[in-house]
Amino acid sequence: DTEVTQTPKHLVMGMTNKKSLKCEQHMGHRAMYWYKQKAKKPPELMFVYSYEKLSINESVPSRFSPECPNSSLLNLHLHALQPEDSALYLCASGRLAGEGDTQYFGPGTRLTVL
Amino acid sequence: AQKVTQAQTEISVVEKEDVTLDCVYETRDTTYYLFWYKQPPSGELVFLIRRNSFDEQNEISGRYSWNFQKSTSSFNFTITASQVVDSAVYFCALTLTSGTYKYIFGTGTRLKVLA
Repeated sequence: DTEVTQTPKHLVMGMTNKKSLKCEQHMGHRAMYWYKQKAKKPPELMFVYSYEKLSINESVPSRFSPECPNSSLLNLHLHALQPEDSALYLCASGRLAGEGDTQYFGPGTRLTVL
Repeated sequence: AQKVTQAQTEISVVEKEDVTLDCVYETRDTTYYLFWYKQPPSGELVFLIRRNSFDEQNEISGRYSWNFQKSTSSFNFTITASQVVDSAVYFCALTLTSGTYKYIFGTGTRLKVLA
């Protein structure tokens, strides 16, 4: 079973709102990832958690705040976003967070910022 | 510098035709991993295959096959007897063993299979 779930599927928010994206996996994976994907582009890495600790932040603006409450859950807290932050946000998990780790992706959350 | 090139932006084929998606990569590392993912309109990236740089065996899985050639730095993907359900964007990706977890994605190839 290689299922990663994400909620919500769609989210519309204003620039002053605070919202959160959620990601869950029950594969015992110890690495979890957030990606942002704009239309007709490949995914761009935002954050990596390894053993529940933030190990990579790809210089993401502070209006995006990740959180890993436990090994199965990953949140992305959103605050004061800009319209250009509208995108598909993908969560992924991997067994090892190391070389050649295969990442398994969730279905994504389509975010629209008005 | 590492790079993945998918020169075909969009390909259209008629159902039952065979189609090959090209992937060319650049890296100076001797150890690396290559991946293919499928992204249907629903958005989820579906893992298809992982190959390390020391394993040049070609692989076949049902209608899918992959041709890895280190001599030309290519990792091409062929779908035999394409079906409408194969319509998706396909990404090739590269990762290294130098301490980064980052996928270097190609720009993707959009495949349209027409009935």
